[in-house]
Amino acid sequence: GAVVSQHPSWVICKSGTSVKIECRSLDFQATTMFWYRQFPKQSLMLMATSNEGSKATYEQGVEKDKFLINHASLTLSTLTVTSAHPEDSSFYICSANPGPSIITDTQYFGPGTRLTVL
Amino acid sequence: GENVEQHPSTLSVQEGDSAVIKCTYSDSASNYFPWYKQELGKGPQLIIDIRSNVGEKKDQRIAVTLNKTAKHFSLHITETQPEDSAVYFCAATLGGGNFNKFYFGSGTKLNVKP
Repeated sequence: GAVVSQHPSWVICKSGTSVKIECRSLDFQATTMFWYRQFPKQSLMLMATSNEGSKATYEQGVEKDKFLINHASLTLSTLTVTSAHPEDSSFYICSANPGPSIITDTQYFGPGTRLTVL
Repeated sequence: GENVEQHPSTLSVQEGDSAVIKCTYSDSASNYFPWYKQELGKGPQLIIDIRSNVGEKKDQRIAVTLNKTAKHFSLHITETQPEDSAVYFCAATLGGGNFNKFYFGSGTKLNVKP
């Protein structure tokens, strides 16, 4: 149980285009999902907290107009990287916190999406 | 805010030996401490967690200990196997619900030599 999927697993796009990444909780509902960015050999950097039915909360320094987050249902959150540039190339990982039927601190992570912007 | 420090950054052990990874945290209000294993090109996988009302938790070859007074917690892996080779992250959070964000350590790359 507690499986989180991401799609796509990798994507290559041209500079200036937009890319959408989906995060799904497959066997549980998730009121809250989190989006992280990870650079090679580094730790996970929280970008934003996504709550179902409300606006995402962005961490300091993360451009909300560039990284659009939508959490339209209890099993799906999307991250759209708008007008992507090479410096946006990174490994993007989502996590999901089970809820609302249970209260838990645990976060289950997706497999990640490798974005390469040419 | 919370600050989590993790040591060592790299750890090499011989197969069958034990491995210990240590983390310290700064916020005494933190009360949930998970450990994640991340293999190359994959997302982190929860391997064990502990809450502040418990001093130790064990799951087969993996154990976690917590010293709330000293604000540090450790991951212990016994009888290491080559498949244990990965990057391990500790994290701390205030807990108490669904919305609290994790503060991650910098990671430890564990290499188990056959």
